[in-house]
Amino acid sequence: EVQLVESGGAVVRPGESLRLSCAASGFTFDDFGMGWVRQGPGKGLEWVSGINWNGVRTAYADSVKGRFTISRDNAKNSLYLQMNSLRAEDTALYFCASVREGTTGTSDYWGQGTLVTVSS
Amino acid sequence: DIVMTQSPLSLPVTPGESASISCRSSQSLLYSNGNNYLDWYVQKAGQSPQLLIYLGSNRASGVPDRFSGSGSGTDFTLKVSRVEAEDVGVYYCMQALQTPATFGQGTKLEIK
Repeated sequence: EVQLVESGGAVVRPGESLRLSCAASGFTFDDFGMGWVRQGPGKGLEWVSGINWNGVRTAYADSVKGRFTISRDNAKNSLYLQMNSLRAEDTALYFCASVREGTTGTSDYWGQGTLVTVSS
Repeated sequence: DIVMTQSPLSLPVTPGESASISCRSSQSLLYSNGNNYLDWYVQKAGQSPQLLIYLGSNRASGVPDRFSGSGSGTDFTLKVSRVEAEDVGVYYCMQALQTPATFGQGTKLEIK
């Protein structure tokens, strides 16, 4: 059974940092790119970042570029999102998802999400 | 960035009838390999999104054949035939041609 399990979400103050993790199982992790998609309270889906299968290529939404860093550890079947200089508008449920090609593409598998709240 | 526009945003449907959702992109999603890089996802209440259709018209594994995707270039349609109560949710189109990937606003399908 395919599983993507996110963790690391928390309540933090503006300007603080947070690191999200996503543990994958049930599929060959390094056959896929991976990505993060977020959903603000009562809002739609917003693509945040993606990374290709070996971590060489990464991509970011303009809204997070320079503040967030995506990475992966294929030996641990894990995906990460380092989030610095957090803002109130980063408050969202963060999903990790598989990516068929490159850094941006069809997502067959999704986690259940981890909640990040940025509030003073 | 490619802008994705869905319509309608709300779609009440009588069980057993059909429903169609339109998705338009600000740029063509047709790549030189002949694929349209357009996916459809559904998000049911309290759940994560799940893939329905990829590359414009290909049903994902396990998706009932009541769901079909069509279109090319900038105009795409998701059709749900014989709508059932379990189809309730928010449907999103997403372009995967260019980074950043972008989603439509979402269409809320509800049962009348």
